[in-house]
Amino acid sequence: GAVVSQHPSRVICKSGTSVKIECRSLDFQATTMFWYRQFPKKSLMLMATSNEGSKATYEQGVEKDKFLINHASLTLSTLTVTSAHPEDSSFYICSAPQRGGTVEQYFGPGTRLTVT
Amino acid sequence: AQSVTQPDIHITVSEGASLELRCNYSYGATPYLFWYVQSPGQGLQLLLKYFSGDTLVQGIKGFEAEFKRSQSSFNLRKPSVHWSDAAEYFCAVGDTGFQKLVFGTGTRLLVSP
Repeated sequence: GAVVSQHPSRVICKSGTSVKIECRSLDFQATTMFWYRQFPKKSLMLMATSNEGSKATYEQGVEKDKFLINHASLTLSTLTVTSAHPEDSSFYICSAPQRGGTVEQYFGPGTRLTVT
Repeated sequence: AQSVTQPDIHITVSEGASLELRCNYSYGATPYLFWYVQSPGQGLQLLLKYFSGDTLVQGIKGFEAEFKRSQSSFNLRKPSVHWSDAAEYFCAVGDTGFQKLVFGTGTRLLVSP
């Protein structure tokens, strides 16, 4: 089956710094990828839709200047958390639907961000 | 806008007993429905999906779900639970263009010996 990877799996950064999370589709191309945020013991909240070759589409209430998304190629999307604060600590998960394939999404394993 | 309700936050089931996790959705058209499982600190694994056709859907790990349009439900079932089934289970509905998913709040399954 299709595989989506995320890197890093865990990251700890200091408050005020920026951190980049990568999402890669390993064996298929994805013109669209999705970024979710999951708070402890909570559901997944869609943050934004990453579009290859164009700007990301952010969900209501998500700060686009804080959560920068770049979809540089058909297999890579990055989420950069800028000027991170402790409240940005969370589990970030990306997903990708297989282009031209079955209409289901494949999820990455997630990235645990801790801001100290 | 579509929404998903999972009324049970926690469920405890004895190993070997049957399981049913509830999911109700709100959606104007025929929904695309999914069940995912998440182990602690892990990503999501697709258990099964419903797009159309037979309303009883078989998935991996012995799970099945039944789509009931009249009840706007898509409950997940398993006849005999194993200790390894302990995890968080999420029901999700896909939007018109399918690609966006809206998740329920999840149900944490605990399996007792």
